[in-house]
Amino acid sequence: AQKVTQAQTEISVVEKEDVTLDCVYETRDTTYYLFWYKQPPSGELVFLIRRNSFDEQNEISGRYSWNFQKSTSSFNFTITASQVVDSAVYFCALVSNFGNEKLTFGTGTRLTIIP
Amino acid sequence: DAGVTQSPTHLIKTRGQQVTLRCSPISGHKSVSWYQQVLGQGPQFIFQYYEKEERGRGNFPDRFSARQFPNYSSELNVNALLLGDSALYLCASSLVRGRDSTDTQYFGPGTRLTVL
Repeated sequence: AQKVTQAQTEISVVEKEDVTLDCVYETRDTTYYLFWYKQPPSGELVFLIRRNSFDEQNEISGRYSWNFQKSTSSFNFTITASQVVDSAVYFCALVSNFGNEKLTFGTGTRLTIIP
Repeated sequence: DAGVTQSPTHLIKTRGQQVTLRCSPISGHKSVSWYQQVLGQGPQFIFQYYEKEERGRGNFPDRFSARQFPNYSSELNVNALLLGDSALYLCASSLVRGRDSTDTQYFGPGTRLTVL
């Protein structure tokens, strides 16, 4: 069985601060994909990133960066110089094995950026 | 290009009724998946359809059913509604380059179902 844990239920930071959202996953499969999605108040899930289990390179996209560590089964997400528009619920998700697309989501972290 | 579209946006039903939710995928995407998101929780996988065939099913009762049409649009049906079915129902589409591939899912805005 697969499981994704996002231990931080809610985080509040002041604008321009850096913030890291934690994600820990469990799977018995050696091949899997990890994802991050953003859910603003409108409700639509917005895709942010996808990594496969064979690629542990960290990735940076503008103010966003992701740290994938198989040794600790973690896939953490950092926002640098946060902005009010970053306020949303962020979900980490897992697909085990290739050839299917059943996403297993964590419970989400609600991020509030205080102006 | 248009993203994933869903209709209706909101829906209010009473217990015991039946509901049909609709989804149109991104142009060129052949797979549609359905998720249920109860308030305060992460989305839960219900179904995936690829090329009009069921490719995956989550742990939901038989009251939930779905189908995919030749134009790759999809409908989710829920019979004998319960109060606990109140949720945001999300549809996602993906390209699916082959039967052994896993592609990124792109989500629509959802249909918020309230059961009274």
